[in-house]
Amino acid sequence: KAGVTQTPRYLIKTRGQQVTLSCSPISGHRSVSWYQQTPGQGLQFLFEYFSETQRNKGNFPGRFSGRQFSNSRSEMNVSTLELGDSALYLCASSSDDWRWNTEAFFGQGTRLTVV
Amino acid sequence: DAKTTQPTSMDCAEGRAANLPCNHSTISGNEYVYWYRQIHSQGPQYIIHGLKNNETNEMASLIITEDRKSSTLILPHATLRDTAVYYCIGSYSTLTFGKGTMLLVSP
Repeated sequence: KAGVTQTPRYLIKTRGQQVTLSCSPISGHRSVSWYQQTPGQGLQFLFEYFSETQRNKGNFPGRFSGRQFSNSRSEMNVSTLELGDSALYLCASSSDDWRWNTEAFFGQGTRLTVV
Repeated sequence: DAKTTQPTSMDCAEGRAANLPCNHSTISGNEYVYWYRQIHSQGPQYIIHGLKNNETNEMASLIITEDRKSSTLILPHATLRDTAVYYCIGSYSTLTFGKGTMLLVSP
């Protein structure tokens, strides 16, 4: 059974540009969550999608957005990149809301560097 | 949402049991306690979760106090590959994983 796949693994962008990251969840999983990880702030929740609908949202500016397709694959987009957006972006998939007695499986992440 | 408190770091000798504590005194009645770990530069890995009863799987055991205000993750025979950051999370808390406990297993 294939795991969670995130692409690309590494990315370098310039301030002001936008970026799109992709996450393919485990087959059959309908929930996809996104996290940002930085050395100073740790793992912080961005948003969660379930069956193409955003179900939960963290405390991030509107420059961060996402969507989920009918095949459960998800993308997140960051517009007008800032240096502080440099981070490891992680995607997690689960069969349902992982908070209710089911585990989440994480991808290896996309390392974004903004210069 | 349960706020969890964990020690910043812990050491353990290879082959010995590693006992990682977590305080979650504000946990809600139906809120699960989850444990994940993250090895450097990799995505977090699920370890175990529980509600009220103690749980055991092939990776670890989870001991939850009767009042559910704290729990302990036990790695029965720690190996060097168990060196990682361990996160304890209340299941209502999607907002942040916190800083976790850095477990260093030494030869």
